[in-house]
Amino acid sequence: SQKIEQNSEALNIQEGKTATLTCNYTNYSPAYLQWYRQDPGRGPVFLLLIRENEKEKRKERLKVTFDTTLKQSLFHITASQPADSATYLCALRGSSASKIIFGSGTRLSIRP
Amino acid sequence: GAVVSQHPSWVICKSGTSVKIECRSLDFQATTMFWYRQFPKQSLMLMATSNEGSKATYEQGVEKDKFLINHASLTLSTLTVTSAHPEDSSFYICSAVRSGGGNTEAFFGQGTRLTVV
Repeated sequence: SQKIEQNSEALNIQEGKTATLTCNYTNYSPAYLQWYRQDPGRGPVFLLLIRENEKEKRKERLKVTFDTTLKQSLFHITASQPADSATYLCALRGSSASKIIFGSGTRLSIRP
Repeated sequence: GAVVSQHPSWVICKSGTSVKIECRSLDFQATTMFWYRQFPKQSLMLMATSNEGSKATYEQGVEKDKFLINHASLTLSTLTVTSAHPEDSSFYICSAVRSGGGNTEAFFGQGTRLTVV
């Protein structure tokens, strides 16, 4: 069955450092891989989408890589700030109309 | 960005009653909407895919007679939890995919906290 793993349940880093989150998947060939941010008691907020034929995508302090051979995506937040503290979810989609499957999430804490 | 609105944000109901949750795409049309539930400190679990004008597709283990989904228009999907029980207490979240133009981004509602007492 399809499986998405976000290796760290929780990650604590110092403000200003780069946070790197990992997402691995098995038994799936996604056309799109997305990263979302979720704050407690709120719905997920879309951050970045990367397609299967793309290797890297950037948006301000965020960078996502997608390796379809390794079946892995890395999500980086550079110059991290306490306001970046949240749960980050990796999500996969097989096509533009197909369902989105989420990983278990990584709870990121940035300490001042 | 596009806005998806869920209503209500929270609801408390008595065991045995039914609760309806609405999911609206406010500024775009959505052929497809998804319903998720999320337990504390867990990820979102897909319950069903809602397609405008047709029957919803339920994930394995989700009772379609208990969780009724209606997607009557391109901007509205509803989830009705019938004969709710305390174990149905959870955070329910909908998402909508904007129709057309090769759009792939899914927008999420703010969620509905259901507590069954």
